[in-house]
Amino acid sequence: GESVGLHLPTLSVQEGDNSIINCAYSNSASDYFIWYKQESGKGPQFIIDIRSNMDKRQGQRVTVLLNKTVKHLSLQIAATQPGDSAVYFCAELANSGYALNFGKGTSLLVTP
Amino acid sequence: NAGVMQNPRHLVRRRGQEARLRCSPMKGHSHVYWYRQLPEEGLKFMVYLQKENIIDESGMPKERFSAEFPKEGPSILRIQQVVRGDSAAYFCASSPGSRSNQPQHFGDGTRLSIL
Repeated sequence: GESVGLHLPTLSVQEGDNSIINCAYSNSASDYFIWYKQESGKGPQFIIDIRSNMDKRQGQRVTVLLNKTVKHLSLQIAATQPGDSAVYFCAELANSGYALNFGKGTSLLVTP
Repeated sequence: NAGVMQNPRHLVRRRGQEARLRCSPMKGHSHVYWYRQLPEEGLKFMVYLQKENIIDESGMPKERFSAEFPKEGPSILRIQQVVRGDSAAYFCASSPGSRSNQPQHFGDGTRLSIL
């Protein structure tokens, strides 16, 4: 069946360092992926998305890499800031074409 | 603020009561999705609605749960005869369409607590 999972439940980085959050998925037919950031008490906030016909996409301070061969997705955050502290979820578009399957999340803690 | 609006933000109910959760999608969005999140877990899809139509309710329990998105007004997720296991955060998302190049944008959720 479909599943999306994250390798590390928590990640602690120093301010200014780069962060890498990883995600594995099992549905080889998945063609759309999204990274969300969720702060305490708030809803998931869209960060960046990528389609399966791409292997890399860049945004402001963030880069998403997609490796379809090993079904792996990563989110890179450059020059991590305290405001980046949150739980990060990867999500894939389910076979339905509209429902999102979320992983469990990685908690990112940025220390000064 | 033209974001997805959910209310109430917090809702406390006793076992057996009804819970009504409301969601107003972003302006121009006609597609609404409800998800449930348990503590320290990812969101789980419940139901997908377009105006006046339920497209997919496969993630929603068949008993006690219902959803609607009327022509006028917000989408409503209704839970009848609530039980302790219904305690969770319920999130609504909206999109202008269902195509994969139209990401879902989420509200800040309703935290439901059952006493």
